[in-house]
Amino acid sequence: DIQMTQSPSSLSASVGDRVTITCRASQSISSHLSWYQQKPGRTPKLLIYAASSLQNGVPSRFSGSGSGTDFTLTISSLQPEDFATYYCQQSYSAPFTFGPGTKIDIK
Amino acid sequence: QLQLQESGPGLVKPSETLSLTCTVSGGSISSTTYYWGWIRQPPGKGLEWIGTLYYSGSTYYNPSLKSRVTISVDASKNQFSLKLRSVTAADTAVYYCARGNYPKYESLDYWGQGTLVTVSS
Repeated sequence: DIQMTQSPSSLSASVGDRVTITCRASQSISSHLSWYQQKPGRTPKLLIYAASSLQNGVPSRFSGSGSGTDFTLTISSLQPEDFATYYCQQSYSAPFTFGPGTKIDIK
Repeated sequence: QLQLQESGPGLVKPSETLSLTCTVSGGSISSTTYYWGWIRQPPGKGLEWIGTLYYSGSTYYNPSLKSRVTISVDASKNQFSLKLRSVTAADTAVYYCARGNYPKYESLDYWGQGTLVTVSS
């Protein structure tokens, strides 16, 4: 299985901050990388697919980059509704494994 | 608007079989553009891929669960189902069904609301 890691595991930030989360795959996954947002008690929501493509309806402050093994999710200006846990997921090789998550909370 | 809804018992005894159904509305489960998956999340933990149903009817299971999992489809009802045998407390989790989108690099673009299944006697 392809192992996914994320860093940091958690971070504290303020509204308006620029936030970057890193995801790393144990082998090359080309651009087969998605990012999901999950709020407590809620269903994961697709933000980014194909490493850098914004899902319909997702605010443009979210962006993704990377290919191969290293990827980033950036929130350009953190909003109150962005405090959540973020997961990366590879869809290059089954099983389509998830990263362990990065929790963003309020500083 | 596509909707997915999980249904099934919320409590299962150890060693018994967990059975869940996902009903898809607003779209066909037989479309070649999509696949269908089951994902679970133990309380307070991360997401784990359980298995996949392809439009051909073929399936893929996570090797870690393969010996205990069966995913099947009832296209006439636009439903697919999960069976997990010989459950233990470690199988306690919120179980999600979701749609995988091939044009979007097989990302999961629609999810059910999730259903908590507790394994306990």
